[in-house]
Amino acid sequence: DSGVTQTPKHLITATGQRVTLRCSPRSGDLSVYWYQQSLDQGLQFLIQYYNGEERAKGNILERFSAQQFPDLHSELNLSSLELGDSALYFCASSVATAVGSPLHFGNGTRLTVT
Amino acid sequence: QKEVEQDPGPLSVPEGAIVSLNCTYSNSAFQYFMWYRQYSRKGPELLMYTYSSGNKEDGRFTAQVDKSSKYISLFIRDSQPSDSATYLCAMSANSGGSNYKLTFGKGTLLTVNP
Repeated sequence: DSGVTQTPKHLITATGQRVTLRCSPRSGDLSVYWYQQSLDQGLQFLIQYYNGEERAKGNILERFSAQQFPDLHSELNLSSLELGDSALYFCASSVATAVGSPLHFGNGTRLTVT
Repeated sequence: QKEVEQDPGPLSVPEGAIVSLNCTYSNSAFQYFMWYRQYSRKGPELLMYTYSSGNKEDGRFTAQVDKSSKYISLFIRDSQPSDSATYLCAMSANSGGSNYKLTFGKGTLLTVNP
């Protein structure tokens, strides 16, 4: 168990809808990362927060947004959903202060857009 | 050209075989190299971490980095059925801190047959 909790595990929704994915990082980890995993693209970095502030952006669509709250949990909001948004969404956390501190991944939220 | 290339496989080997997994990359700024293992329906977990060029051994696993060729490898000796998983290489230009970002390969699916 990585200590990173993601909810829900599965989400099925229709095109055009909006969903929120939730992540609780490991205790003590200040950094939260969101990744999207699909068969054709692999693990794609979306966005990173550090202690409540956005620190890095990757291939995140404008329809997607995220935030990290004072208690360090994070939410990823996906809106105007399209079929192509169906994927596994992973949250990871790290201490982010130690050299080589690894990312600890949750078990993901599987999103299916129909 | 993608920053990180990894043969997706699948790779199927008999128990006890030596397995070689590889990635190539194009970004010469990458200095930190990792291998993650991902079991079905789980998040990736860190297996090996290497800085710059050279070898690192941990039990049955050996990671090699050749920066001059922009090529990294993971060797698994005496492979076991429990090693059956997807193996993802990951790389970073920096060691940590608040803007730490990992770039992943697409992963190689490995099956070790008893």
